[in-house]
Amino acid sequence: AQSVTQLGSHVSVSEGALVLLRCNYSSSVPPYLFWYVQYPNQGLQLLLKYTSAATLVKGINGFEAEFKKSETSFHLTKPSAHMSDAAEYFCAVSDLRAQKLVFGQGTRLTINP
Amino acid sequence: DTAVSQTPKYLVTQMGNDKSIKCEQNLGHDTMYWYKQDSKKFLKIMFSYNNKELIINETVPNRFSPKSPDKAHLNLHINSLELGDSAVYFCASMMRGSPHEQYFGPGTRLTVT
Repeated sequence: AQSVTQLGSHVSVSEGALVLLRCNYSSSVPPYLFWYVQYPNQGLQLLLKYTSAATLVKGINGFEAEFKKSETSFHLTKPSAHMSDAAEYFCAVSDLRAQKLVFGQGTRLTINP
Repeated sequence: DTAVSQTPKYLVTQMGNDKSIKCEQNLGHDTMYWYKQDSKKFLKIMFSYNNKELIINETVPNRFSPKSPDKAHLNLHINSLELGDSAVYFCASMMRGSPHEQYFGPGTRLTVT
């Protein structure tokens, strides 16, 4: 069965610093992987997705993620953090057989001025 | 136009009451979901419908009953509300057979007193 582990429930960085949110997955088949962002009191918004094309995926708001099969990872990065990036971030893997997404537990990103 | 909408956005009610939450999507998707997000932000899938047919029914108390009158609507009825039902409930939709990119509604914050 597919599963996702997000390392670090809370990440804090300074404005302008590199953002790195870690995600490792477990999947018995080539996975589809996603990063979603949830701003306070809002629903989840898709940041980016990996669907077996390019391993480096670019998303909205300057975020990108790299699929590394050997490490079973799909870490999310942004070169320079902005105050507006403060939110909850979720990594997810697609369970094709069950027709559902399996989410990680989320990482809260805090940006310090 | 809102892609996935939910009503109401906030719902405050007393224990023992029965309440409903409605969801509508105008994306032309054929699959819809209900998720529960607890106070720790953990997302748990509850139900999924594909073309009005129930395809996922996770371990959810029988007090929760989903209904899909057509593929654009998925409602959630909750009987005999309990304190532990307090959470944010999200509706989502996707097109089956796609890479499982789901689109989320804004959420309904249910508070049971």
